[in-house]
Amino acid sequence: DGGITQSPKYLFRKEGQNVTLSCEQNLNHDAMYWYRQDPGQGLRLIYYSQIVNDFQKGDIAEGYSVSREKKESFPLTVTSAQKNPTAFYLCASSISSTGGPTYEQYFGPGTRLTVT
Amino acid sequence: QKEVEQDPGPLSVPEGAIVSLNCTYSNSAFQYFMWYRQYSRKGPELLMYTYSSGNKEDGRFTAQVDKSSKYISLFIRDSQPSDSATYLCAMTLYGNNRLAFGKGNQVVVIP
Repeated sequence: DGGITQSPKYLFRKEGQNVTLSCEQNLNHDAMYWYRQDPGQGLRLIYYSQIVNDFQKGDIAEGYSVSREKKESFPLTVTSAQKNPTAFYLCASSISSTGGPTYEQYFGPGTRLTVT
Repeated sequence: QKEVEQDPGPLSVPEGAIVSLNCTYSNSAFQYFMWYRQYSRKGPELLMYTYSSGNKEDGRFTAQVDKSSKYISLFIRDSQPSDSATYLCAMTLYGNNRLAFGKGNQVVVIP
């Protein structure tokens, strides 16, 4: 089955530690995204990548970093510089703007990160 | 002013009622309008999309776009308990990968 996987589902970390969230897709999509969701806040874009080895900051990139070394993988690192990292993190992918509709984003199941 | 406004207030309705959700937006260049459904502790899934103005119907769901008023709506007829979820509106420009999301509207359908 094609889709997006995120692991782990729940993640607990101590304050001051960096943590990496995994996102893998087998949809052969070029574009991938990371969002953060807080209660009552909707989805806020952290980073996105339209092609391998390239990525752009979203609206709330401070304290986060990403890499895109493979088409199917887009890991997100939450660094100790992120002031309020506890949140629900969602990864998504879509066909790039160079071919086909770009509006539909497919989401993974999310990772709930708790930092204490 | 935020790009997309969606009242996040929870909405409780009895089973069988019509659910009406809406979003307003400020960017008149938006052309694609979407509704995502998100069940608790899950990722959102695309429910419906509409290009430009007009209506689109899919079973019990109807999406409406009024570009002149910068207003979009989602109607759910004969609502079921399985419709209980958060509904997020989203919109974008042609060929643009970035979606502008509303805050989401939690809907509870009471049996």
